[in-house]
Amino acid sequence: RKEVEQDPGPFNVPEGATVAFNCTYSNSASQSFFWYRQDCRKEPKLLMSVYSSGNEDGRFTAQLNRASQYISLLIRDSKLSDSATYLCVVILGATDSWGKFQFGAGTQVVVTP
Amino acid sequence: GAGVSQTPSNKVTEKGKYVELRCDPISGHTALYWYRQSLGQGPEFLIYFQGTGAADDSGLPNDRFFAVRPEGSVSTLKIQRTERGDSAVYLCASSFIAGAYNEQFFGPGTRLTVL
Repeated sequence: RKEVEQDPGPFNVPEGATVAFNCTYSNSASQSFFWYRQDCRKEPKLLMSVYSSGNEDGRFTAQLNRASQYISLLIRDSKLSDSATYLCVVILGATDSWGKFQFGAGTQVVVTP
Repeated sequence: GAGVSQTPSNKVTEKGKYVELRCDPISGHTALYWYRQSLGQGPEFLIYFQGTGAADDSGLPNDRFFAVRPEGSVSTLKIQRTERGDSAVYLCASSFIAGAYNEQFFGPGTRLTVL
């Protein structure tokens, strides 16, 4: 079983609609989480951190469910420019306490006109 | 300010050759990371430098891979006796310091193709 798993998609979303997807992690000691965005043939860029209480940044909402060991990302009022691959990042605790990033394989979102 | 830069952007080599990939981190960032990304996968951790020293090289796949950061800034990833399976995008990232809550800033990557 992979440490970090994501539904690869693609999620085809009409412009203006809402889309949500999850990322599950296997290590219960994981201590912090991020969502990164990666456009085709570009480098990953930080979208947002994920806080325990959940957090929102404009049209984007991230949630953490420690009991079920997953994080989620919700995008409201989708724009064409939201089309990208969304990478889940899990930082393990304990032996990787320096902050080692574990990436999921990514979820592809395609927003259509 | 300038972001992370990587050279070359593309490298095509033949099986068995030696290659060097260069990363220039954001000025002032003490932590530097190398990742490898294959098609349809997320970046896979290779090695982490804190200053000049490799603090964690547990992701290097075998002894054909080696990386240095002699002056605590620019880093070079070296691959000996390249194999077709080494073909991937090699990403470099940096952060002000390492830490579980610290953003890593990525460079544009070097696309390595081994024929």
